[in-house]
Amino acid sequence: GAGVSQTPSNKVTEKGKYVELRCDPISGHTALYWYRQSLGQGPEFLIYFQGTGAADDSGLPNDRFFAVRPEGSVSTLKIQRTERGDSAVYLCASSSRTSGSEEQFFGPGTRLTVL
Amino acid sequence: AQKITQTQPGMFVQEKEAVTLDCTYDTSDPSYGLFWYKQPSSGEMIFLIYQGSYDQQNATEGRYSLNFQKARKSANLVISASQLGDSAMYFCAMSPMNTGFQKLVFGTGTRLLVSP
Repeated sequence: GAGVSQTPSNKVTEKGKYVELRCDPISGHTALYWYRQSLGQGPEFLIYFQGTGAADDSGLPNDRFFAVRPEGSVSTLKIQRTERGDSAVYLCASSSRTSGSEEQFFGPGTRLTVL
Repeated sequence: AQKITQTQPGMFVQEKEAVTLDCTYDTSDPSYGLFWYKQPSSGEMIFLIYQGSYDQQNATEGRYSLNFQKARKSANLVISASQLGDSAMYFCAMSPMNTGFQKLVFGTGTRLLVSP
């Protein structure tokens, strides 16, 4: 079956521009997560969705970052007025349950480069 | 707050040998989960193994086993019979269980290189 997919795989943009990153979770997975991975680091939590609602957005660095999941499936991470420090790999993950032991399935990531 | 520490930036092992990747953690949560993920050069995070803080037995999944020492707050990954395809970045992560969802906190990773 299909895994988590993310588009685009690479995005190059200029400082100050707006970008949207898309995540298609595994069908039927109700939980969806966004992480950001900077060079040489482990992934950092950004936001968690259970269904359509953002249950925890405490990891979003500032109000330039916003994410939606309007129908409880596909999610879009939106970054306004991009800065060079936003350059990173943005990872999406999904899981079928919300218990602490459930495996998260990760997508291949979107590599964002802000020039 | 939770913190994961991986002190080995790189490890080398010969094919068919066993290797241990270190992970220590810090948390004030009474119950939590510990995870190991593999990240090949393709970038995708691959789940390897899970250990619950209240599990009595150390977790095992095929060639992977987790050496869980709760008192020492360590959760080392042991890979037996290393294969060339094991060369990758390995991340230790944890999540509290009282939030109702997994908010994984990752370490900085260990790069493993398996030589023939």
